[in-house]
Amino acid sequence: EAQVTQNPRYLITVTGKKLTVTCSQNMNHEYMSWYRQDPGLGLRQIYYSMNVEVTDKGDVPEGYKVSRKEKRNFPLILESPSPNQTSLYFCASSLSSGEFYNEQFFGPGTRLTVL
Amino acid sequence: DQQVKQNSPSLSVQEGRISILNCDYTNSMFDYFLWYKKYPAEGPTFLISISSIKDKNEDGRFTVFLNKSAKHLSLHIVPSQPGDSAVYFCASSASNRDDKIIFGKGTRLHILP
Repeated sequence: EAQVTQNPRYLITVTGKKLTVTCSQNMNHEYMSWYRQDPGLGLRQIYYSMNVEVTDKGDVPEGYKVSRKEKRNFPLILESPSPNQTSLYFCASSLSSGEFYNEQFFGPGTRLTVL
Repeated sequence: DQQVKQNSPSLSVQEGRISILNCDYTNSMFDYFLWYKKYPAEGPTFLISISSIKDKNEDGRFTVFLNKSAKHLSLHIVPSQPGDSAVYFCASSASNRDDKIIFGKGTRLHILP
């Protein structure tokens, strides 16, 4: 089954404790992206990657890191989480050819709470 | 500065009637527009898209209209069904820009029985 998986689905942590949210897709997509969803703010792009070893900042990259060492994986790293990073996070992937990179497949989401 | 605006946070429509969701954008470089649908506890799913070279795209009960001069697009759902109750996000991108995709804040659609 074609899908984007994220782990963990739920996480409660404390300020300053490094964490990683994993994202994996099995569709051989070049484009992958991370978003956060907050009440009243919709979906905001954190980082995206057009292909292996290529990553770029989205609209809200502060406090986050990503890496793209393999095509299928795109982990989101919070080196020192803070309470304002409490949010619902979505990973997404798509083909990058032409306009198709816009039609993204989203993972189920990771709800992160930073105390 | 909000580049993609969905000014109606929520909308209620009677089952069987037409639902019209609106989206405005400010960046004239945007040339591709999409609608995503999101149910609670799930990730968004792609619904329908339109390129700036068109002014209409239809897929079953869903039609997206694009008015470039007004920088406005709308999603029409007809007839509306109970399963259409969800949050709808409008999104835009510019092919000659930096591959970012900008989403609106979403509109929650309630289909009333």
